[in-house]
Amino acid sequence: SQQGEEDPQALSIQEGENATMNCSYKTSINNLQWYRQNSGRGLVHLILIRSNEREKHSGRLRVTLDTSKKSSSLLITASRAADTASYFCATALGQAGTALIFGKGTTLSVSS
Amino acid sequence: DAGVIQSPRHEVTEMGQEVTLRCKPISGHDYLFWYRQTMMRGLELLIYFNNNVPIDDSGMPEDRFSAKMPNASFSTLKIQPSEPRDSAVYFCASRPQGTRNTIYFGEGSWLTVV
Repeated sequence: SQQGEEDPQALSIQEGENATMNCSYKTSINNLQWYRQNSGRGLVHLILIRSNEREKHSGRLRVTLDTSKKSSSLLITASRAADTASYFCATALGQAGTALIFGKGTTLSVSS
Repeated sequence: DAGVIQSPRHEVTEMGQEVTLRCKPISGHDYLFWYRQTMMRGLELLIYFNNNVPIDDSGMPEDRFSAKMPNASFSTLKIQPSEPRDSAVYFCASRPQGTRNTIYFGEGSWLTVV
């Protein structure tokens, strides 16, 4: 079963606009991660936010975490056509936190 | 540094045939994961190893699936016999020991069973 669920499933925007993707999860976490997958490729880690953090930035990425609502959001500012990809949130499975469980992802399409 | 290496990248096989997917994790990584990705079910964790020992195989769908890790630099995922519903992208991933659980994915093996 999936721990994280992304919303929306698909998002289409114009270059320069901001893209916001949301993730909800079910159980308590130590951290939450976001990954990106280009078409036909493997997933690549983008950013990790710990449970005691509320917001984190990395370049044009901004991640927020609300543990009381069990939700996170990923904001990509000033999007580019190269940001076109699927984005996944991931949380750890079980107490050991060794394996990651992924949502079904948000497919982002950025048109120029 | 080389990333996670998977082979084959693409395979088309007939129903009933045996399929073997291979993975070489990043050197020094202690954990190895096998995931399966489909449109319907998303990314599913099949099994993972720690120091070559299978830790959790509860995601392996059926007895037709088996995975081995004979040494730290090699793992296989075998499907025998294969069925059309096994068509998916199979990803291998690895990560080092430690509290930060970021994992590194290979490019995937695209399997089509006809």
